[in-house]
Amino acid sequence: QKEVEQDPGPLSVPEGAIVSLNCTYSNSAFQYFMWYRQYSRKGPELLMYTYSSGNKEDGRFTAQVDKSSKYISLFIRDSQPSDSATYLCAMRSNAGKSTFGDGTTLTVKP
Amino acid sequence: ETGVTQTPRHLVMGMTNKKSLKCEQHLGHNAMYWYKQSAKKPLELMFVYNFKEQTENNSVPSRFSPECPNSSHLFLHLHTLQPEDSALYLCASSQETGTGANVLTFGAGSRLTVL
Repeated sequence: QKEVEQDPGPLSVPEGAIVSLNCTYSNSAFQYFMWYRQYSRKGPELLMYTYSSGNKEDGRFTAQVDKSSKYISLFIRDSQPSDSATYLCAMRSNAGKSTFGDGTTLTVKP
Repeated sequence: ETGVTQTPRHLVMGMTNKKSLKCEQHLGHNAMYWYKQSAKKPLELMFVYNFKEQTENNSVPSRFSPECPNSSHLFLHLHTLQPEDSALYLCASSQETGTGANVLTFGAGSRLTVL
């Protein structure tokens, strides 16, 4: 079993939709939870990171962590065509290495 | 130049060739990484260097040989590769490998095709 499971996608939504991207994990030692966005022909770039449980909001993006359920989500409100990319969740224990999900490819249609 | 720069962006090589990938970071970071990205697979960590010292080799075959002459530069030397080694090779850097979120900054990658 993988340490991190990410909803496989691909996901296709109309412009303006609310998008939910999700990952589950098995390692209870994970404390840092990251979302990276990767555009085609580019490397991943950090979108948001959260420490422990709770919500974090940045503009149209909200990251949510539920450590009791070992479940994290990234919500995108009012999605735009420019949000079309592959989204990677990543997790890390204190002093450990980052473990990535497989990625979910999102397409937002105008 | 800013961020993490990787060259070449594309590389095609035969199984008997020797080539190198280069990575340079302009962020003042102390840790550098090589990752392999294949379709429908999670990012695979290959090597980690912290303050120029290799701290992790994730059971990578010896046909991949890393070199880190200083904290700003990282190389991946390639020789006698196999077709299954075709992938996107990503370089990343972070402040260091210690505690905390250890956020990674990635380069754009080098797309390798082995014929």
